[in-house]
This record gives sequence, C-alpha cells and structure tokens, in this order.
Amino acid sequence: DADVTQTPRNRITKTGKRIMLECSQTKGHDRMYWYRQDPGLGLRLIYYSFDVKDINKGEISDGYSVSRQAQAKFSLSLESAIPNQTALYFCATSVGLRNEQFFGPGTRLTVL
Amino acid sequence: AQSVSQHNHHVILSEAASLELGCNYSYGGTVNLFWYVQYPGQHLQLLLKYFSGDPLVKGIKGFEAEFIKSKFSFNLRKPSVQWSDTAEYFCAVNDNYQLIWGAGTKLIIKP
Repeated sequence: DADVTQTPRNRITKTGKRIMLECSQTKGHDRMYWYRQDPGLGLRLIYYSFDVKDINKGEISDGYSVSRQAQAKFSLSLESAIPNQTALYFCATSVGLRNEQFFGPGTRLTVL
Repeated sequence: AQSVSQHNHHVILSEAASLELGCNYSYGGTVNLFWYVQYPGQHLQLLLKYFSGDPLVKGIKGFEAEFIKSKFSFNLRKPSVQWSDTAEYFCAVNDNYQLIWGAGTKLIIKP
C-alpha cells in the first residue's frame, strides 16, 4: 500500500538502449519530481512537474526526457542510455507551499 | 539560488555517543528546512522539518534539530546514538518549490 511506487526496482541495460522508469502515486499530490543519486553527490534534480501541463528541467536534464501522463503518473526516459547514467533514481511527490517531499523506493539502473 | 553544505561526509561513532551533524544554507529570509534519512537499501524518509515557530524541532527516533537564523544553520542532533542509526542523512532547504540538497553525511555506528 505504498503511496509512491516505482517500476522497475532494478534494471540492467546496455549502452544505447532506450529505458523508461515509471512512477505512480496515490497521494493526490500535484507536484512530482525525478532525482538521481550518486555516491558523494547527494540528490540531483532531473525534471519536475507541477501538473500535467507543466514540466520543467532540473539541474541535470541532458540525456533524459519525461512524460506526465496523468496527475498520478510521471515517467522518466533515457533515450539512449550511457554508462555514466548508472545511478539510483528516485521519484518524489509534494503538495503545499512548504514542499515536504515523499519518496518512492527507487530504481537502481546499471548501464553496461 | 540556495545552496546547502553538510560539513561531514562520513562520521563514525560508537553506540551511546552524542551526535551532531552540521547543515548550513546560503541565504536567509523565510526558509523551510528538512532532514531526511536513508537507511541502507531504503528510500528517503523525513526525519524532521522546520517551517516556523520554535527553532528547536523534534523528529522521529529521538532526533532533534536547531534552526539558528543568524548562522544560517540547521544542525541535527541526537544525545545517544544506536547501531540502528547507521544511515545516510541529508539536509535540504525549499527554494521555489524545489528542494536544494546537501551532499549527505554517512553515519556509521559501531556496536
């Protein structure tokens, strides 16, 4: 009964392949975020969306694209995966002015 | 834009030791501050938050943090750590509906 879910949880792929990571939420929040986590670098924002028609680039959007299919769904795509995109990817949601964020369990992506 | 500094990247303590993890943000005004924790192999969970009011905030599992406006700081404390506190701790500040994150502090508690 997790509020924010991510699929797949683990993925190994090869350089040049197209990959889609999916995020779904049952919290009813308007805002959704995609982050990547690398050791020693903390969390870096890839894309964020305030609603279905409002999508914004984050700090490290190059090489990534997103789709907000519905309020509850926010997908991240790697059009042509490369090894330095190997990382842990998190989806998060938030609502309200304070921007407390709620995280999914993460997807561990390995690009060979 | 805001930035967040966490001064200690790795901290090793023995059980029952006291803990303080530093967090500084770059500029003032009204700030919303957070500490999140990531236990090994798990996702980020909210530990505590500061929005306004009493600058000493209490979170889960005996953690607390003190907001010092004059020092742009929001340090995390726990009087007596346990082995189960082994985790990575992240400080974050809200900036225009984005959370700006520190690089994290890996805490290892020796039993």
